[in-house]
Amino acid sequence: QQQVKQSPQSLIVQKGGISIINCAYENTAFDYFPWYQQFPGKGPALLIAIRPDVSEKKEGRFTISFNKSAKQFSLHIMDSQPGDSATYFCAASPNYGGATNKLIFGTGTLLAVQP
Amino acid sequence: KAGVTQTPRYLIKTRGQQVTLSCSPISGHRSVSWYQQTPGQGLQFLFEYFSETQRNKGNFPGRFSGRQFSNSRSEMNVSTLELGDSALYLCASMRGGPPLSGYTFGSGTRLTVV
Repeated sequence: QQQVKQSPQSLIVQKGGISIINCAYENTAFDYFPWYQQFPGKGPALLIAIRPDVSEKKEGRFTISFNKSAKQFSLHIMDSQPGDSATYFCAASPNYGGATNKLIFGTGTLLAVQP
Repeated sequence: KAGVTQTPRYLIKTRGQQVTLSCSPISGHRSVSWYQQTPGQGLQFLFEYFSETQRNKGNFPGRFSGRQFSNSRSEMNVSTLELGDSALYLCASMRGGPPLSGYTFGSGTRLTVV
């Protein structure tokens, strides 16, 4: 119940295309859903995050779509660029900002954007 | 604005030894968490500290421990190292109060146990 399932494991997209990464969870106590981007040799960097009272959030070329009833959320990267090539992690946290800020991560998606 | 600083960046230790990793959070951040990243298990939560108190602990053996100092700097210690402890250890800090912000991760300490 503590797991976050992420797919696909890897993704190849042409420059200018849309990259879509999906995540699913079981624990209804999760109330914070961030996406992180990680480049080789670096720590994960927060891209965008959403709370369950919102169905969509957009920041620049990055959009999170959230489906509370299906317990699924996804990251869309519009106009994908070679510089977006990285590993992307979804995550979830129960009672975020409360007594704990534990993040449970998905398994990661290796994105390659071809020029 | 300085980010999260982890030292050392790389470490090679022998099985059975112990190791201490250090993390300096962003100034003003009171919550510090540690994560282990491996190719097989991914990113796994170790523990979180807030105002020098451990608030939450992940599913790791007692060989893994940590602490936080009054200036919010944190250390984690692994005793009796095993080969399977080889991993990237990531520290992340967060303000810990409203408005909520996400975690900022450091670049990690790459630990190799031989």
